[in-house]
Amino acid sequence: GAVVSQHPSRVICKSGTSVKIECRSLDFQATTMFWYRQFPKKSLMLMATSNEGSKATYEQGVEKDKFLINHASLTLSTLTVTSAHPEDSSFYICSARDRGHNQPQHFGDGTRLSIL
Amino acid sequence: KNQVEQSPQSLIILEGKNCTLQCNYTVSPFSNLRWYKQDTGRGPVSLTIMTFSENTKSNGRYTATLDADTKQSSLHITASQLSDSASYICVVSAETGFQKLVFGTGTRLLVSP
Repeated sequence: GAVVSQHPSRVICKSGTSVKIECRSLDFQATTMFWYRQFPKKSLMLMATSNEGSKATYEQGVEKDKFLINHASLTLSTLTVTSAHPEDSSFYICSARDRGHNQPQHFGDGTRLSIL
Repeated sequence: KNQVEQSPQSLIILEGKNCTLQCNYTVSPFSNLRWYKQDTGRGPVSLTIMTFSENTKSNGRYTATLDADTKQSSLHITASQLSDSASYICVVSAETGFQKLVFGTGTRLLVSP
């Protein structure tokens, strides 16, 4: 069964709306979660690393004020796309890694965001 | 620069046939290499994970190999099934504090009846 749950799976909303995406680790505690963006026929692009109880680490070129990340507990991280515009339309995927060396990252099923 | 390159970009094979996907990487320091399967509109699912000392690892009809000297890996799929149609992504982990992942661009496999 799925070990990382991502919700919602699909969002369609108007330009200017803020959208929150949730990522939950179901079977383990994840001190670190990751948020990715994926364009059609392209590979995953890391946006930010979400650390429980502290500020997220953003990759170069990713706007912190645009993509707000909160990791308030060991099983939940949220990504909020603020004042979304059509260019923010994309497939967003989260992942979480269990503790221990060489543990694989478990990915959520992604969120298809469409901004009209 | 840390990079992972995969070939071919896309591949079409007949159901029941075997195929091999390639991955070359320049990631340092190397921690491990994973192959993921990503169905359209879904998140990636881990198939295999190999560390520096492992040469081969199998998961059902999937067999991955790793040559750490030449920095190459392959994923062999035996007796392909229609459900194998997906993107296969090679992901190399750099040995940093958070084991940052370097993703390949993937190989899109289509298994036709």
